[in-house]
Amino acid sequence: DAGVTQSPTHLIKTRGQHVTLRCSPISGHKSVSWYQQVLGQGPQFIFQYYEKEERGRGNFPDRFSARQFPNYSSELNVNALLLGDSALYLCASSPRAEFNYEQYFGPGTRLTVT
Amino acid sequence: ELKVEQNPLFLSMQEGKNYTIYCNYSTTSDRLYWYRQDPGKSLESLFVLLSNGAVKQEGRLMASLDTKARLSTLHITAAVHDLSATYFCAVAQLAGNNRKLIWGLGTSLAVNP
Repeated sequence: DAGVTQSPTHLIKTRGQHVTLRCSPISGHKSVSWYQQVLGQGPQFIFQYYEKEERGRGNFPDRFSARQFPNYSSELNVNALLLGDSALYLCASSPRAEFNYEQYFGPGTRLTVT
Repeated sequence: ELKVEQNPLFLSMQEGKNYTIYCNYSTTSDRLYWYRQDPGKSLESLFVLLSNGAVKQEGRLMASLDTKARLSTLHITAAVHDLSATYFCAVAQLAGNNRKLIWGLGTSLAVNP
């Protein structure tokens, strides 16, 4: 079975631009979570979606938004990019939303904002 | 707001030695994860601990959870070089309708011959 997949792998954007990151969960998993990991730090929770509904939101500005599609894949959108948005963006999938289950992480999208 | 603290943040140890990494958290939770991350790579799940007193072991690693003390430990037995990585704990905050997973800063472990 395929694991969690993310696209693109790497991305370079300019300040003020918009970016869309994509994630496909493991087959059968209905929950997708998004994390931001700045170099040298722990991951920061951005969003959790389950059955297309937002179930959790971290302390990120409204420039960050996400959605989940009927096939449980997900997109993370970031508007008006800032230099500080440069990070590794990780997606994780799990069967349900309650954090009772192992979360499986994708390889990540490395975003560089110049 | 839940806060998660790991210590030590950096650990250099010799092969064959034992050591423990600590994860303290500030508010009630009974759901805690341990992950491993190799440089430039994604996160690999090690343990999911879901109740007070939970203990799990895999190879040279053993994790435990004490929800009353708000403390989890990751014990390394007879370390080998392959265990060199950064280890993170993450704690679930389930208050209300906003569920989050809060992470520690990580423990960077170097196992030397």
